[in-house]
Amino acid sequence: TQLLEQSPQFLSIQEGENLTVYCNSSSVFSSLQWYRQEPGEGPVLLVTVVTGGEVKKLKRLTFQFGDARKDSSLHITAAQPGDTGLYLCAGGLTGGGNKLTFGTGTQLKVEL
Amino acid sequence: NAGVMQNPRHLVRRRGQEARLRCSPMKGHSHVYWYRQLPEEGLKFMVYLQKENIIDESGMPKERFSAEFPKEGPSILRIQQVVRGDSAAYFCASSRTHNYEQYFGPGTRLTVT
Repeated sequence: TQLLEQSPQFLSIQEGENLTVYCNSSSVFSSLQWYRQEPGEGPVLLVTVVTGGEVKKLKRLTFQFGDARKDSSLHITAAQPGDTGLYLCAGGLTGGGNKLTFGTGTQLKVEL
Repeated sequence: NAGVMQNPRHLVRRRGQEARLRCSPMKGHSHVYWYRQLPEEGLKFMVYLQKENIIDESGMPKERFSAEFPKEGPSILRIQQVVRGDSAAYFCASSRTHNYEQYFGPGTRLTVT
């Protein structure tokens, strides 16, 4: 059973386009993180959201945590080739201790 | 400001040998987590440790796998009598306190031949 489902699984777009990645669950999370992972490297933390309805912006990236803390989205405006990578959402389950449950991942490719 | 360090980055072991993976957390972090990423699968939690204590090992296989985080030195993930199915990328993460953001190291890629 996969607790965190991400969609789409793969996304190939042209430079300058906008995109949204979704992270959904039927479980409630106390916090949710978004990471980006390059081939052969570890995940790099982008943002943490903890409050239902919270919106955080990081340059061209906008992150939102659902009101019920069961889902999240990542929106990228005017994508650039440097945004290419594997995007992972990861959450700490309410009452689940410190372990992170990772999503299925979204592989993004931004072409010139 | 050094991040999480893991070594070796790549490790090749024959079936039946032992593998030792080391992780040094970020400066000021006393909580360490190990995750495994199998080929074509996502990251899965294995174990959570604080200095000299295992807090949560619910994701660790029951046999052959062990972890420690001694008072001095790095955290060690030990796999005894490795099998081909142990081939994976093993990532360590650290956090300042519990319920805080986790920062990942570059990983150790284990290949069992």
